[in-house]
Amino acid sequence: EVQLLESGGGLVQPGGSLRLSCVASGFTFSIYAMSWVRQVPGKGPEWVSSVSSGGTTYYPDSVKGRVTISRDISRNTVYLQMNSLRAEDTAIYYCARNTPPLGSFDYWGQGTLVTVSS
Amino acid sequence: QSALTQPRSVSGSPGQSVTISCTGTSTDLSGYNSVSWYQQYPGKAPKLMIYDVIKRPSGVPDRFSGSKSGDTASLTISGLQAEDEADYYCCSYAGIWVFGGGTKVTVL
Repeated sequence: EVQLLESGGGLVQPGGSLRLSCVASGFTFSIYAMSWVRQVPGKGPEWVSSVSSGGTTYYPDSVKGRVTISRDISRNTVYLQMNSLRAEDTAIYYCARNTPPLGSFDYWGQGTLVTVSS
Repeated sequence: QSALTQPRSVSGSPGQSVTISCTGTSTDLSGYNSVSWYQQYPGKAPKLMIYDVIKRPSGVPDRFSGSKSGDTASLTISGLQAEDEADYYCCSYAGIWVFGGGTKVTVL
C-alpha cells in the first residue's frame, strides 16, 4: 500500500524558515518523481515544487528562490525547505507522487499545516 | 499563469449525469494531453480520478469519464451517487502544473 506521511508543519513568523518532510512507503521510491502541492482551505490546490527520479527540480515563479525540494533515496524521504516565509504561504502542504513520467499526482499524503503569522 | 476556470457548483439527482468543465488558454490545455481530475472530501487529501485526459486509475468507477476539446476539458459523472458529493479540481501540466478553482458537486 502506497503511503506518504508528511511532518514539519507549524506556526512560523514572517521571514522565518521551515523544513517539511515526507516519508514514502509501499513503492520503489527511487523511480518516481515527487512533488509538493499546497492548498488554502476553500481554494484550489497550488503546485509548489517537484523533483524527478533523476534529481532535477522544478518550481513555479511564485516560490522560486525561496523554496528548495530535495530527496534522500536512502531514507525514502522528500523534503521541502522553505525560507523567507510570507503570510500568503499559509496553507496545507501535501506531498504527492507523480504518475510517470510527470503529468499528474496519483497518491497524496494527509497534509501538514503551515501557518505564517506574527 | 492563471488558474483554470471551473464552475463553482453543479448539482444533479441520483442516477443523473453531471459534467464539469475546465477552461484554460491555448497554452494550458489545447496543446497537451496531461489533464487530470481530483476528487476531494472536506478535510481530506485530493484523490486522482482521471489522468491524461481520459484514463482512470485502478479502482475508480467507470461512472467517471474525461474528455477534452480545444481549450476545455470536462469530467462527466454518470449515474450520480450520494458518495460523489465532493469538490472536484482539474489540473493541467504544460511544463508547470496549473489547477482549477474547484467545483462543488451536490447530489440533490
